[in-house]
Amino acid sequence: DAGVIQSPRHEVTEMGQEVTLRCKPISGHNSLFWYRQTMMRGLELLIYFNNNVPIDDSGMPEDRFSAKMPNASFSTLKIQPSEPRDSAVYFCASSLIWASGRADTDTQYFGPGTRLTVL
Amino acid sequence: AQKVTQAQTEISVVEKEDVTLDCVYETRDTTYYLFWYKQPPSGELVFLIRRNSFDEQNEISGRYSWNFQKSTSSFNFTITASQVVDSAVYFCALRGTSDYKLSFGAGTTVTVRA
Repeated sequence: DAGVIQSPRHEVTEMGQEVTLRCKPISGHNSLFWYRQTMMRGLELLIYFNNNVPIDDSGMPEDRFSAKMPNASFSTLKIQPSEPRDSAVYFCASSLIWASGRADTDTQYFGPGTRLTVL
Repeated sequence: AQKVTQAQTEISVVEKEDVTLDCVYETRDTTYYLFWYKQPPSGELVFLIRRNSFDEQNEISGRYSWNFQKSTSSFNFTITASQVVDSAVYFCALRGTSDYKLSFGAGTTVTVRA
């Protein structure tokens, strides 16, 4: 079975440019999570969706960041304008929450990540 | 608020040695879920195990074993007879029942030398 797919795997851009990261969750999963990993802050949750609806975006650092999930098989994380401090690895994860009322089916499976470098 | 502490920043061992990674957590939830993930040098995050707070049975999977001690809020991970391929960063994570956020520890870097 295909896991979580992210693209691009690497992105190098210049400060001020728009960056779009893409994620395809595992088929059948109903929840999607965007994380950012940096040396200083470790792994931190940015936003998560359940059934394509944003549930909690309190981790989104500022208005320059936005995320969408137009359908169950695709999500984007956009940074506009990008800044050097946005350089990090961005992970997408998906899970199946509350299938048949079971709470133990919600393990998050991660994609390979996108390494973003903003010059 | 959830908190996960991995006090060991780095561990270096020689192949075939056992290595134990400590994880201590804090939560106010009575039901919660603990996870371990592995991040090899290639960078992906690989799910290893999930443990529910109401199930204190320890688990063994090949050379991996986990010791859940609810009384001390710990969920430690042991690699027996380590191999070079075990070299990675290992993360312990916690999820409560109020939402689906995972709170990660800072990670422990394990280096296994041949």
